[in-house]
Amino acid sequence: GAGVSQSPSNKVTEKGKDVELRCDPISGHTALYWYRQSLGQGLEFLIYFQGNSAPDKSGLPSDRFSAERTGGSVSTLTIQRTQQEDSAVYLCASGMSSYNSPLHFGNGTRLTVT
Amino acid sequence: KNEVEQSPQNLTAQEGEFITINCSYSVGISALHWLQQHPGGGIVSLFMLSSGKKKHGRLIATINIQEKHSSLHITASHPRDSAVYICAARGADGLTFGKGTHLIIQP
Repeated sequence: GAGVSQSPSNKVTEKGKDVELRCDPISGHTALYWYRQSLGQGLEFLIYFQGNSAPDKSGLPSDRFSAERTGGSVSTLTIQRTQQEDSAVYLCASGMSSYNSPLHFGNGTRLTVT
Repeated sequence: KNEVEQSPQNLTAQEGEFITINCSYSVGISALHWLQQHPGGGIVSLFMLSSGKKKHGRLIATINIQEKHSSLHITASHPRDSAVYICAARGADGLTFGKGTHLIIQP
């Protein structure tokens, strides 16, 4: 596709359930970031993948959060045992390299935990 | 860890005014991004800078690496420029975002 694709665009789930969010980056982009934006808040870094290097997980808020990037392309962010404070828009961005390319953002997944 | 500060937090101006949004960061970076987020949430990358100045239409972005400071300028502002403008500093620890500047341009 022409841009970064995220799915689903909206997800409503009950507290305690697990959710998976998907990001399809632009083909060939080696850098992939996950962020979230809670209502009225700024962007919060979650995790960063760069090529085949070990991901930078320093932004993950708890061990309920994990992410994978298979084959250097598609990434899934998994939240286990969701809590209401997990409600946010989860954004994915990709770029050609970690430092020297513009970032392309997906439209995000709006997660609501009831 | 990098600290990214933006100012002002909120800015309301009249159509046609020259707008400046500032961003400062605490540690050395390889690049700085200016992003635009419209109501509804979509984010668009406006500029990526590692030195000097870039211009695109009515938007100008500058960066001073020595002073760890960047500015985004909008000339001849228009109501459609109303959005949240976010700077993001890319360093060794990934990307650190400012909290954004909420800009409203009144007709």
